[in-house]
Amino acid sequence: SQTIHQWPATLVQPVGSPLSLECTVEGTSNPNLYWYRQAAGRGLQLLFYSVGIGQISSEVPQNLSASRPQDRQFILSSKKLLLSDSGFYLCAWRLTGSSYNSPLHFGNGTRLTVT
Amino acid sequence: DQQVKQNSPSLSVQEGRISILNCDYTNSMFDYFLWYKKYPAEGPTFLISISSIKDKNEDGRFTVFLNKSAKHLSLHIVPSQPGDSAVYFCAATYGGATNKLIFGTGTLLAVQP
Repeated sequence: SQTIHQWPATLVQPVGSPLSLECTVEGTSNPNLYWYRQAAGRGLQLLFYSVGIGQISSEVPQNLSASRPQDRQFILSSKKLLLSDSGFYLCAWRLTGSSYNSPLHFGNGTRLTVT
Repeated sequence: DQQVKQNSPSLSVQEGRISILNCDYTNSMFDYFLWYKKYPAEGPTFLISISSIKDKNEDGRFTVFLNKSAKHLSLHIVPSQPGDSAVYFCAATYGGATNKLIFGTGTLLAVQP
């Protein structure tokens, strides 16, 4: 069976510091991978998605970047965090080639607080 | 531009009664809708979905209704149980959305024992 791991669970970082959040999926090959963010009072906003190694699509202009160095690894980064980057970050996956309406499977998320 | 809206941030229901969570959307291209359930400090988990060719889909205690003309869907939970207390997200997509699910802001359901 497939599992998704996301870490760390919580993170407190000062403004201006770098960020690296990691997500890995086990039990499947070449999954579609996603980064979502839930900010206070807002829904889940899609930040990035990837359909393969090195292939990243960005949904919204922002202070963050994503990379996919390996098939089942998805990394969310920032060089300098802003206060507005605080939120709950969720990694998700879907089977490659699955229908557009097949559900996403989420990790447990990372609570990021920028101080 | 919030294409999927959940206008009730919270809902409180007595155990055993019906919970009705509502969702509205603006993009007429959406043709598939999903509900997710989220407990604190966990990721959302898929609950139930409905295609636009249907107006109702039922799975145990959970039923989703779709009114395309009103661009409105609702999730009914009958009977409600304390373990149903969670945040519920509505999501929508369509074939041209290139793998994207568009989520609403969520409704916090509290089921009182």
